[in-house]
Amino acid sequence: DTGVSQNPRHKITKRGQNVTFRCDPISEHNRLYWYRQTLGQGPEFLTYFQNEAQLEKSRLLSDRFSAERPKGSFSTLEIQRTEQGDSAMYLCASSSYRGDEQFFGPGTRLTVL
Amino acid sequence: EDKVVQSPLSLVVHEGDTVTLNCSYEVTNFRSLLWYKQEKKAPTFLFMLTSSGIEKKSGRLSSILDKKELFSILNITATQTGDSAVYLCAVMIYNQGGKLIFGQGTELSVKP
Repeated sequence: DTGVSQNPRHKITKRGQNVTFRCDPISEHNRLYWYRQTLGQGPEFLTYFQNEAQLEKSRLLSDRFSAERPKGSFSTLEIQRTEQGDSAMYLCASSSYRGDEQFFGPGTRLTVL
Repeated sequence: EDKVVQSPLSLVVHEGDTVTLNCSYEVTNFRSLLWYKQEKKAPTFLFMLTSSGIEKKSGRLSSILDKKELFSILNITATQTGDSAVYLCAVMIYNQGGKLIFGQGTELSVKP
């Protein structure tokens, strides 16, 4: 499968715990994006990388959130000290440098109890 | 503030009907508008529109953009139960790295 993959697909955690999600983009894609989607809403942009450089972060991304893409390939999104309001679907997408179409992974559904 | 608004928020039709979904936007430095279909999983890409008045078509789905009136429509003819999904409209802005601003989606339900 050469699409975008995300792991884990589901995560249940207790409030205050740290969680980390992984995204593997389509291999030739330079750009990688993280979005968050809550029930009944469209995805909201969190951050994006061009190769290993994180070029933009949304104000939605509080200091409890951090993202990395160390070698310009896969990316991780970490949430520290999770809160119930962090419960959402976290989507990763990738695109080529020239192309505008973003291709989405299956998402990680986070539930914070 | 940049925003994308879709209407209606939900729609119930019967197989064979034709539906029109609407997307209006107010953004600075518009680059392109994209439509996605989302079943109970990740959004899948349908169309990207950059120029006014040029219809994009794929099977029973078609879409067009009006950059003067700042809206786009997605048409689905001869609907099938497999068309049931949330349809998302998103706008891409110049000089913001490809960030997409999404509308809240239209939930389409096609009854047999």
